[in-house]
Amino acid sequence: AQKVTQAQTEISVVEKEDVTLDCVYETRDTTYYLFWYKQPPSGELVFLIRRNSFDEQNEISGRYSWNFQKSTSSFNFTITASQVVDSAVYFCALSEVGGSQGNLIFGKGTKLSVKP
Amino acid sequence: DAGVTQSPTHLIKTRGQQVTLRCSPKSGHDTVSWYQQALGQGPQFIFQYYEEEERQRGNFPDRFSGHQFPNYSSELNVNALLLGDSALYLCASSRTSRYEQYFGPGTRLTVT
Repeated sequence: AQKVTQAQTEISVVEKEDVTLDCVYETRDTTYYLFWYKQPPSGELVFLIRRNSFDEQNEISGRYSWNFQKSTSSFNFTITASQVVDSAVYFCALSEVGGSQGNLIFGKGTKLSVKP
Repeated sequence: DAGVTQSPTHLIKTRGQQVTLRCSPKSGHDTVSWYQQALGQGPQFIFQYYEEEERQRGNFPDRFSGHQFPNYSSELNVNALLLGDSALYLCASSRTSRYEQYFGPGTRLTVT
C-alpha cells in the first residue's frame, strides 16, 4: 500500500531561522514521483517541486531545497532563512507511475508558522 | 495564462440534497482530477477524467460522480448529501504526459 507520513503536525519558527519539513513514504513500486505542495490560508494548493524515483540529486531553488534519500524513503524539504510569507500548510505527496498519470497520495501536512 | 478555476467558491446544502461543482482546467491541460479535503487533513483523491471518461477512481461511493466535457472542463456531482461530505473540494488539472497537477482554489461545501 502507498502511504505518505508527515510526522510533524505543526512547526513554529522565528523569521530567518532555517526549518526542515520531514516526509517519509511507502510504496511497492520502483518508479514513482514525489511532490511538495504549499497551501496558504487562501486554500489553493501551490505546486513546489516534482522529483522522480530515479533522480536522487538534491535540488535547490532559491531559499528552498529538497533532500531525496531512497534508502530511507524520505523526501525532506528545507526552507532557509524563513520569512513570514512562508507560513502555510505544506503537503508531501506520492504518485505511482503506470497506466495513467496516477492519483496523488498526500500526507496529512505540516503547518508552518513563521513569526516576525 | 489563466489557472484552474472552480465555481462556486462556497456552498451550503442540506442533508439529502444534491450538488454540482464545476472546474475549468489550466490552458493546455486535458486531464482533470478531483480531491476532497476534510478540515486538518490532506486531500483525498476522488477520481480523474481524461478524454471525457473516468480513468481512475479513489475510495469514494457511487454518490460521487463526474463528467468531463469536450473543452476539458469538468463537473463533480454528489447525491444524497451527508454531513460528512462537508469539506473543501479541489480540482486539479494536468497534461497527459506530465505528472504535476495544478490545483484550483477549491469549493467549500457545508452540509447542514
